[in-house]
Amino acid sequence: DSGVTQTPKHLITATGQRVTLRCSPRSGDLSVYWYQQSLDQGLQFLIQYYNGEERAKGNILERFSAQQFPDLHSELNLSSLELGDSALYFCASSVGFSSYNEQFFGPGTRLTVL
Amino acid sequence: GESVGLHLPTLSVQEGDNSIINCAYSNSASDYFIWYKQESGKGPQFIIDIRSNMDKRQGQRVTVLLNKTVKHLSLQIAATQPGDSAVYFCAENIRTGGFKTIFGAGTRLFVKA
Repeated sequence: DSGVTQTPKHLITATGQRVTLRCSPRSGDLSVYWYQQSLDQGLQFLIQYYNGEERAKGNILERFSAQQFPDLHSELNLSSLELGDSALYFCASSVGFSSYNEQFFGPGTRLTVL
Repeated sequence: GESVGLHLPTLSVQEGDNSIINCAYSNSASDYFIWYKQESGKGPQFIIDIRSNMDKRQGQRVTVLLNKTVKHLSLQIAATQPGDSAVYFCAENIRTGGFKTIFGAGTRLFVKA
């Protein structure tokens, strides 16, 4: 158990809908990262937050947004969902924002868009 | 359990043998590299890392080698055990103001008992 929690574990929804994925980092970690893992694209970095502020952006679509709250939990919002958004979404956390900080991954949320 | 189901390169080894998993990375500016292990139904788990100013780093039963000339990374697992069966990803951190982590496609390791 990495100490990172993600809810829900599974999510099934329809095209055009909007969903929110939630992540609670390890106790004491200030950075949260979101990743998408799909069959055709592999693991892709989406976005990083550190202590409530956006720190780095990867291949995140404009339909997707994230935020980190004062209690350090983070939410990833996915809107106007398409079939291709079906994937595993992982959250990771680290103590700081340095690229050398070890990232601890949560168990993931499996999103299925029908 | 759940699995990613990617059509990944596969390495099959006998229990007790050594495993070598290779990875080509993409960016000459990457200064930090990590190997992750992902078991079915779980998130990636850190195994070992190496900074770009090193060419070798050893952990418990694992060794990472970095060849910056050809942008190649390898993970060696000594005395491979059934519990080592998983998908292994290399990752590189690229500085972008902050940084972003780029993952390789992954290699599936099967350990035969």
